[in-house]
Amino acid sequence: AQSVTQLGSHVSVSEGALVLLRCNYSSSVPPYLFWYVQYPNQGLQLLLKYTTGATLVKGINGFEAEFKKSETSFHLTKPSAHMSDAAEYFCAYSDEIKAAGNKLTFGGGTRVLVKP
Amino acid sequence: GAGVSQSPSNKVTEKGKDVELRCDPISGHTALYWYRQSLGQGLEFLIYFQGNSAPDKSGLPSDRFSAERTGGSVSTLTIQRTQQEDSAVYLCASSSRRPGGLTGELFFGEGSRLTVL
Repeated sequence: AQSVTQLGSHVSVSEGALVLLRCNYSSSVPPYLFWYVQYPNQGLQLLLKYTTGATLVKGINGFEAEFKKSETSFHLTKPSAHMSDAAEYFCAYSDEIKAAGNKLTFGGGTRVLVKP
Repeated sequence: GAGVSQSPSNKVTEKGKDVELRCDPISGHTALYWYRQSLGQGLEFLIYFQGNSAPDKSGLPSDRFSAERTGGSVSTLTIQRTQQEDSAVYLCASSSRRPGGLTGELFFGEGSRLTVL
């Protein structure tokens, strides 16, 4: 069965420091991978996605992620954290985005705290 | 509306009562999804509607859970005889169908927080 694992349920970073959120997946077929962000009392918002093609994907708010098939990973990074980055981040997986729809499998989430 | 709208935003109910949660998707979106977000559990897929096709109910946790989508737009998630373990945030999302059958990005509502006492 497919699964998504996010290492660390909570991450604390200093403002201006590197943000690194880890995501590993298990799948027997080529994956489609996503990162979503959830600000307090809001719904999820897509940060970026990997479907095919370039393995380094750039998203909104300065975030990027790299798909590494050999490591079954899709880690999310941002070079310099901003206070506004404090939120919960979810990695998600789908093995198809065709007519059957984006039935996503989500990781457990990582809550990011940004210290001044 | 401009985004996915869910109501109520908060619902407190007593164990054993039935509840209905409503989702208004983005106008024109053909696909609608329900997810459940429980504390410490991440997001769990519940059910998916796509146009006039039969819904994918594979994620519904028990027969106390059901959902319908009327007129291809508004959806209602019903939980019968609620239990304390049903307490969670129920998220609705919608997406559009692109050329070639590919579905687009999922747009999520703010969720309905259900508390079962």
